[in-house]
Amino acid sequence: DQQVKQNSPSLSVQEGRISILNCDYTNSMFDYFLWYKKYPAEGPTFLISISSIKDKNEDGRFTVFLNKSAKHLSLHIVPSQPGDSAVYFCAASVYNAGNMLTFGGGTRLMVKP
Amino acid sequence: KAGVTQTPRYLIKTRGQQVTLSCSPISGHRSVSWYQQTPGQGLQFLFEYFSETQRNKGNFPGRFSGRQFSNSRSEMNVSTLELGDSALYLCASRLPSGGIDTQYFGPGTRLTVL
Repeated sequence: DQQVKQNSPSLSVQEGRISILNCDYTNSMFDYFLWYKKYPAEGPTFLISISSIKDKNEDGRFTVFLNKSAKHLSLHIVPSQPGDSAVYFCAASVYNAGNMLTFGGGTRLMVKP
Repeated sequence: KAGVTQTPRYLIKTRGQQVTLSCSPISGHRSVSWYQQTPGQGLQFLFEYFSETQRNKGNFPGRFSGRQFSNSRSEMNVSTLELGDSALYLCASRLPSGGIDTQYFGPGTRLTVL
């Protein structure tokens, strides 16, 4: 049973435009969500996070939106840059479960110059 | 501050052998978690160690084990290797602060089982 899903395996966007990556979850106990970016042969790099008490968090070009009723979160990257091309993973955790991360399957973002 | 380091970066073993992977967390971080990444199963949690004690364990067989030392460095061991154990093994460290903490990942160890 996949508790965190990223239904789009890939996304192609033109440089300068907005990239929107989506993530759905089924476990209502999840109360903290994170986005990681991963290049081949490297470990995931933390991008941005959001607690379930918020519905939006911004950090520079990156904004994460959380819709708890829909069990859905999204990552917006504006403007997209070629260096953003990577695989993006969303992850979720439950506070009293020791911060164990449950990951989605990832979305490969390609930003074309 | 130096990031999470993992050694070795690449490893080739044959079925039936055992392997030990090492992880050094970010200085000051006391919790270390291990994850396995495969094309079929994605990123899956193996276990977490804090203060030399295993706090959480994922759904993996007993062939997968780990430990943590007093300096917070951690090792994971896989015994009786199977072809399906071929994967990228990632280590992540965090403080912890008592609340929700961000985990920071190392570059991983690529294990190939022949």
